[in-house]
Amino acid sequence: DVKVTQSSRYLVKRTGEKVFLECVQDMDHENMFWYRQDPGLGLRLIYFSYDVKMKEKGDIPEGYSVSREKKERFSLILESASTNQTSMYLCASSLSRNRFDYEQYFGPGTRLTVT
Amino acid sequence: DQQVKQNSPSLSVQEGRISILNCDYTNSMFDYFLWYKKYPAEGPTFLISISSIKDKNEDGRFTVFLNKSAKHLSLHIVPSQPGDSAVYFCAASKTSYDKVIFGPGTSLSVIP
Repeated sequence: DVKVTQSSRYLVKRTGEKVFLECVQDMDHENMFWYRQDPGLGLRLIYFSYDVKMKEKGDIPEGYSVSREKKERFSLILESASTNQTSMYLCASSLSRNRFDYEQYFGPGTRLTVT
Repeated sequence: DQQVKQNSPSLSVQEGRISILNCDYTNSMFDYFLWYKKYPAEGPTFLISISSIKDKNEDGRFTVFLNKSAKHLSLHIVPSQPGDSAVYFCAASKTSYDKVIFGPGTSLSVIP
């Protein structure tokens, strides 16, 4: 079974803090994704990566950055957290760098609250 | 502007009856469609998919129908079970090399 784990289930941070969200997958998947889920908006893609040290902007990259130093690990960084970044953050991975429409495996999510 | 729309935020169905979840898309270039199911406090899990070369795909109690001319797809669950109560996300991609776009989700409640 593919397992995608996220470092925290719940996180509370203050405005202006630097926030790191970590994601690890154990199935040697090439693609990794970061989404945020907000009511009425569904899942919106922040960043994705199809290889180590490679990253691509998704639909809403502003205020975020990512790091992929190892194939199994994809980190999302909020350089200076703001209240509008309060959300559920979901990490996902999928098998092949040549196809993005393959099934994605999601982690359980991190509920981030910025006060 | 949402390219993948699920106009019903919620749906309630009696156990044993059919659940029909609808999804509309605006981009005629989409050629691959997926449905994901999400329980509270868990990440979404893949349910079923369909390629634009087909108009129907079936997997057990779940069937997805695609109407390309109407840019519409639907997920049928027959018979519905209480364990099907979850949020269902419709998703689409333009090509196999492009990212997947998710809809806002429909919350299904199956009443025993």
